[in-house]
Amino acid sequence: GENVEQHPSTLSVQEGDSAVIKCTYSDSASNYFPWYKQELGKGPQLIIDIRSNVGEKKDQRIAVTLNKTAKHFSLHITETQPEDSAVYFCAALRGNSGYSTLTFGKGTMLLVSP
Amino acid sequence: EPEVTQTPSHQVTQMGQEVILRCVPISNHLYFYWYRQILGQKVEFLVSFYNNEISEKSEIFDDQFSVERPDGSNFTLKIRSTKLEDSAMYFCASGTASPQDEQFFGPGTRLTVL
Repeated sequence: GENVEQHPSTLSVQEGDSAVIKCTYSDSASNYFPWYKQELGKGPQLIIDIRSNVGEKKDQRIAVTLNKTAKHFSLHITETQPEDSAVYFCAALRGNSGYSTLTFGKGTMLLVSP
Repeated sequence: EPEVTQTPSHQVTQMGQEVILRCVPISNHLYFYWYRQILGQKVEFLVSFYNNEISEKSEIFDDQFSVERPDGSNFTLKIRSTKLEDSAMYFCASGTASPQDEQFFGPGTRLTVL
């Protein structure tokens, strides 16, 4: 089955700095890669996703890049703010019929200091 | 904004007891999911449900687990005879279309098995 590795497990940055979180996946058939943000006491919330037919996607301060050949994808947050502090999860999904389940990474705790 | 709700927020039970975790998905969604997160570990897929039947399940989802959509609004996860290792946060999620579209997560139920 799919295996998703995520690094780092914790990341501390100063407000205004950039943060990068990296994930690798094992199943070359995976074709959908969402990123979730989980705040304390809440469920994961989708912040951005990318499909295997594009290499990069951006939404304001958040961007995701995908390298299908190397089987890795990354989350980039620019101009970080204290409210960006949360746990971030990457995930991969193999979207063939009969097998469409999300496999998550272990999560990255991002701490943004004012 | 519509959201997935889950009850209870925290459930404490004795080993061997049955528990039912409840979820109310977003009303026009068609796909429903249960995930679990053991403390400090990654979010793991348990089961997906579509058109009143299980569409996918993981190896975690053994005979002790069952899901049901008893009416038009609720989606439940039952664990027949809880074990210590069932202690985890259980998240319900729902989505409008295929698993490749956004899955909206509830806040979770923390299950503690003593």
